[in-house]
Amino acid sequence: AQSVTQPDARVTVSEGASLQLRCKYSYFGTPYLFWYVQYPRQGLQLLLKYYPGDPVVQGVNGFEAEFSKSNSSFHLRKASVHWSDWAVYFCAVSLGRVGSFNKLTFGAGTRLAVCP
Amino acid sequence: GPKVLQIPSHQIIDMGQMVTLNCDPVSNHLYFYWYKQILGQQMEFLVNFYNGKVMEKSKLFKDQFSVERPDGSYFTLKIQPTALEDSAVYFCASSFGTGSTGQLYFGEGSKLTVL
Repeated sequence: AQSVTQPDARVTVSEGASLQLRCKYSYFGTPYLFWYVQYPRQGLQLLLKYYPGDPVVQGVNGFEAEFSKSNSSFHLRKASVHWSDWAVYFCAVSLGRVGSFNKLTFGAGTRLAVCP
Repeated sequence: GPKVLQIPSHQIIDMGQMVTLNCDPVSNHLYFYWYKQILGQQMEFLVNFYNGKVMEKSKLFKDQFSVERPDGSYFTLKIQPTALEDSAVYFCASSFGTGSTGQLYFGEGSKLTVL
């Protein structure tokens, strides 16, 4: 069965520093991968998505992620973190193909704190 | 952007009572979902719904659970009767399609506390 592991429950970075949030997946086949963000008192919002193709995908607000089949990873990166990035970040995987009905498997989430 | 609204945001009920969680999906979306997140754990898929029918459900979707969307009104999750282990945050989501057109839009969640 597919699974997603986010090994870091909490990450703290300084504003302006670079960021990497880790995501490892376990999946038989070609995964469709997603990063969602949940700001305080809001629903999950899609940051970016990977469909088979270019392994580096760009998202909103300067985020990007890189798919690595050899490492079974889909790490999220940002060159310079802003205080408004303080949120919980979820990695997710799905079959993604038409007819799969978007059954997402989520990681446990990484809580990002940004220090001034 | 498109918003999914959930009502109530928090509900506290006694074990054995019935509860209905309401979801107002994005207006032109056709697919609807419920996910469950127990405190400190991963969000898990419960059920998806299309064209008036449950398409797929997980083992978490117990017999006490039901979903419906009568005539384009709220998409609801009903639990009857509730159990202590049903305490969680329930997230509703909707999408226009599936696959590459199937971006999910999530609500803010309904926190259910069963005493």
